[in-house]
Amino acid sequence: DAGVIQSPRHEVTEMGQEVTLRCKPISGHDYLFWYRQTMMRGLELLIYFNNNVPIDDSGMPEDRFSAKMPNASFSTLKIQPSEPRDSAVYFCASRDRDRGDEQYFGPGTRLTVT
Amino acid sequence: SQKIEQNSEALNIQEGKTATLTCNYTNYSPAYLQWYRQDPGRGPVFLLLIRENEKEKRKERLKVTFDTTLKQSLFHITASQPADSATYLCALWGGNALNFGKGTSLLVTP
Repeated sequence: DAGVIQSPRHEVTEMGQEVTLRCKPISGHDYLFWYRQTMMRGLELLIYFNNNVPIDDSGMPEDRFSAKMPNASFSTLKIQPSEPRDSAVYFCASRDRDRGDEQYFGPGTRLTVT
Repeated sequence: SQKIEQNSEALNIQEGKTATLTCNYTNYSPAYLQWYRQDPGRGPVFLLLIRENEKEKRKERLKVTFDTTLKQSLFHITASQPADSATYLCALWGGNALNFGKGTSLLVTP
């Protein structure tokens, strides 16, 4: 299995632009998580899905952030408009509930908003 | 409020020694605790899970203890190697989410 796939790996954009991050979870996994990691705040959960349905989005910082999971093999995290304080590494992770509680993380997208 | 605390200072040890990392938590009643490893520029990788009714768990050179009275987990790497150098994160399930500590950086020198 290729593991969790994220794209792009790096994104540099100007303040005010729309940013879309993409994730392909491990095939067969029924949970998908979006995290953000910064030095100051560590790894924070933004939102997670179970069987493509958003379960908890309480970690989404504000209305500028939105996430979708149109099918079991694809999810997007969108920031519109982006701000410099959104600069961070964004991770996607997936989990197969039947196989345990561990989460499998993708390589992350490093976002820089100038 | 809920807190997960890991030593923010890097841990430097000599190859062959045992590394011990600490994870303390407050205002959690976790059913389990997990440890992850993160290398620079990569996502965290799951290492071990220990449940509340387990005192100790081992996997190769790794050992994890879980004391729900002290609200603490210890993560040990025996016979450490330079390849063990990384950041180690502990994580607890609280509410609807897996909450992570900020991690402790381990550097193993030859």
